[in-house]
Amino acid sequence: KNQVEQSPQSLIILEGKNCTLQCNYTVSPFSNLRWYKQDTGRGPVSLTIMTFSENTKSNGRYTATLDADTKQSSLHITASQLSDSASYICVVFPLFSGGYNKLIFGAGTRLAVHP
Amino acid sequence: NAGVMQNPRHLVRRRGQEARLRCSPMKGHSHVYWYRQLPEEGLKFMVYLQKENIIDESGMPKERFSAEFPKEGPSILRIQQVVRGDSAAYFCASSRQEGATDTQYFGPGTRLTVL
Repeated sequence: KNQVEQSPQSLIILEGKNCTLQCNYTVSPFSNLRWYKQDTGRGPVSLTIMTFSENTKSNGRYTATLDADTKQSSLHITASQLSDSASYICVVFPLFSGGYNKLIFGAGTRLAVHP
Repeated sequence: NAGVMQNPRHLVRRRGQEARLRCSPMKGHSHVYWYRQLPEEGLKFMVYLQKENIIDESGMPKERFSAEFPKEGPSILRIQQVVRGDSAAYFCASSRQEGATDTQYFGPGTRLTVL
């Protein structure tokens, strides 16, 4: 069964600190892996998309890495801000014939940034 | 340049009633996806539609649930004879193209509560 597991489940850090969120997946083969940010009460917003051949992708203070051999991805947040408080969701797009977009979502890591 | 619009944002229904959730994709997007998010769980794919066509409904329960995306107007997710287990957040996403790397843009969601 395809699975996307994220850790930790929740995390509290102080403003200005860095943090790394983990994603382990068993989906195979896959086309790409995405990280989304979901603020409370809002829809997810795309942060990064990496194909299976990419190792890293940055978007401002967010840097995602991908190791297709170990089936692991991480999202590193630099110099955290209060507005980074949200759920961060790892999403894997399986490689189906037909190319239909059936993303598989992890349960997310809930990040709280405190002043 | 409005994003994906969903309404209503909150919907309360009694058991046995019908729920209608509406989604207007971003301008220029002809691909619509519906997801359901149960409390403390990740999003789950329900159905993928293009204009006037259901492309993939493999994630949608076969009974009581239906979806459409007419030539004119928003996409509609319809739940008949709602039960308490239908209480969840329902998110709609749209994309310009069907493709592995095309970004899906999410709406703010409709939170359905069944009493």
